[in-house]
Amino acid sequence: QSVLTQPPSASGTPGQRVTISCSGSSSNIGSNTVHWYQQLPGTAPKLLIYSNNQRPSGVPDRFSGSKSGTSASLAISGLQSEDEADYYCAAWDDSLNGFVVFGGGTKLTVL
Amino acid sequence: QVQLQESGPGLVKPSQTLSLTCTVSGGSISSGNYYWSWIRQPPGKGLEWMGYIYYSGSTDYNPSLKSRVTISVDTSKNLFSLRLSSVTAADTAVYYCARDSLKGYYGVDVWGQGTTVTVSS
Repeated sequence: QSVLTQPPSASGTPGQRVTISCSGSSSNIGSNTVHWYQQLPGTAPKLLIYSNNQRPSGVPDRFSGSKSGTSASLAISGLQSEDEADYYCAAWDDSLNGFVVFGGGTKLTVL
Repeated sequence: QVQLQESGPGLVKPSQTLSLTCTVSGGSISSGNYYWSWIRQPPGKGLEWMGYIYYSGSTDYNPSLKSRVTISVDTSKNLFSLRLSSVTAADTAVYYCARDSLKGYYGVDVWGQGTTVTVSS
């Protein structure tokens, strides 16, 4: 069971806007930055959003992130077929000596 | 552009120690405020952070693995390594080395391609 909670699946049609939630606690999302990763089948994860809402160079502005309290969300607008992938949220957790925690991942299907 | 490449045995016997190396190219492991991580992914499952190391040798580990994990760095060879002791079938996974930041503040921005390790007799 993952420390951060994500829905196991999400779906949308091309052109739609989809959001994926990530729920945590005061020791992780509530006090640290949240990141989102996209993992295409058979490949390594790729940083999609960092520090809650920042996009690395090369990531389309269709992807956006937000954080409020102990929850975060990833929004994908103008959904495209190539967005079909697994999406993971992550954050530092201050409990014990501190470590990175991930969500269980959300499989996004483009219908 | 920094690139990471994992290497090591693809098959490890139960109760033995898994050892992997990550070679850093395109930049120095000692430059910048980067931390060097190991992250794994069991077949069909999610990501698990194992720990990271700074070039000075300072480490942080996942509490769930702390008793079995050791991460080390060799700045002269520009690489860092993972050792996981007393492995079981549950340690079968794709192991990624990656570049991180202090307390993961900026996220993991560079990933290796991953190497599959199977634990089986």
